[in-house]
Amino acid sequence: ETGVTQSPTHLIKTRGQQVTLRCSSQSGHNTVSWYQQALGQGPQFIFQYYREEENGRGNFPPRFSGLQFPNYSSELNVNALELDDSALYLCASSRIGGSYNEQFFGPGTRLTVL
Amino acid sequence: AQSVTQLGSHVSVSEGALVLLRCNYSSSVPPYLFWYVQYPNQGLQLLLKYTTGATLVKGINGFEAEFKKSETSFHLTKPSAHMSDAAEYFCAVSDQVNTGFQKLVFGTGTRLLVSP
Repeated sequence: ETGVTQSPTHLIKTRGQQVTLRCSSQSGHNTVSWYQQALGQGPQFIFQYYREEENGRGNFPPRFSGLQFPNYSSELNVNALELDDSALYLCASSRIGGSYNEQFFGPGTRLTVL
Repeated sequence: AQSVTQLGSHVSVSEGALVLLRCNYSSSVPPYLFWYVQYPNQGLQLLLKYTTGATLVKGINGFEAEFKKSETSFHLTKPSAHMSDAAEYFCAVSDQVNTGFQKLVFGTGTRLLVSP
């Protein structure tokens, strides 16, 4: 069983640029959630995708957007990067069905905005 | 809105000593509760979870936690610390919903330091 993978591992961008982060779901999962973890903080929920549509969103501006593909992989796009966007971005996959959907996390992408 | 408070950003113990990491939650509906561990430069690994049923839950690596509704707490314990337990620990809460949407709300984390 393949776990959740994310690419790239590290990324350095400058303020104002755009970035795309990628996530491959664990085998058998159909839902992807994205979290932002700033240094010294707990992860903050960005949004969740199910059946290629946004299924819920946290308190993040519209310049944070995403996609989910038919194979359930996902992208997180951030436009007009700001210094505060520097963080570890975590992807988690799960399978909707039943009363509880455990989320399995990937290793994250470390984004640095200069 | 749900929230999680973790008391103590850092906890230091000696190897072999009891580990106690505190977590209090706020939720207007019956919660699901979780403890995750994060090692340096890695993602989150689920230690244990409470959904329904028995309030004392056992997880991996000898950790356990007890859901106390009256105290709105879900403290994490381990009888004897090991050097390999040194890591960041996060408590999280989620709604018990059946719509498929699940958002985890995390605390700010507690760094566990284990000395020889």
